[in-house]
Amino acid sequence: DSGVTQTPKHLITATGQRVTLRCSPRSGDLSVYWYQQSLDQGLQFLIHYYNGEERAKGNILERFSAQQFPDLHSELNLSSLELGDSALYFCASSADSRFPYEQYFGPGTRLTVT
Amino acid sequence: GENVEQHPSTLSVQEGDSAVIKCTYSDSASNYFPWYKQELGKRPQLIIDIRSNVGEKKDQRIAVTLNKTAKHFSLHITETQPEDSAVYFCAASSTLRELIFGQGTELSVKP
Repeated sequence: DSGVTQTPKHLITATGQRVTLRCSPRSGDLSVYWYQQSLDQGLQFLIHYYNGEERAKGNILERFSAQQFPDLHSELNLSSLELGDSALYFCASSADSRFPYEQYFGPGTRLTVT
Repeated sequence: GENVEQHPSTLSVQEGDSAVIKCTYSDSASNYFPWYKQELGKRPQLIIDIRSNVGEKKDQRIAVTLNKTAKHFSLHITETQPEDSAVYFCAASSTLRELIFGQGTELSVKP
């Protein structure tokens, strides 16, 4: 167990809908990273938050957004869902206050868009 | 931006043999190189990492080497066991940055 939690574990929804994925980092970790894993794209970085502020954006669609709250949990919002959004969504947390920068992954949310 | 290439994409070995997975990176600013093991449907688990000021690191049956000049790093697993079967990902990052992953290597250890 990495100490990172994600809910829900599974999500099945229809095209055009909106969903929210939740992540709670390890105690003390200030950074939350979101990654998408699909069969054809591998593990792709989406977005990084550090202590409530957006730090970096990767291959994140405009239909997707995220935020990190004062208690450091983070939510990833996916809207106008398409079949191609079906994937495993992982968050990872890191202390990021000093070297080393180990990132520990949560169990993931499997999103199926039908 | 950073780009990480990983080879081979699949690797099959006999139990007890060694396995080697290689990665190359493009950004000379990268200074942290972790390796993750992922079993089917599970989270990536950090198994070993190396920093740019170190050339080699070992932890029991696994070791990682880094060649900064050539911008490549490798994972070595000795005395492989069936429970080593999984997908292995290399990654690279620089200070306080996201991980850029390789494409993954599916390792199969045959008993």
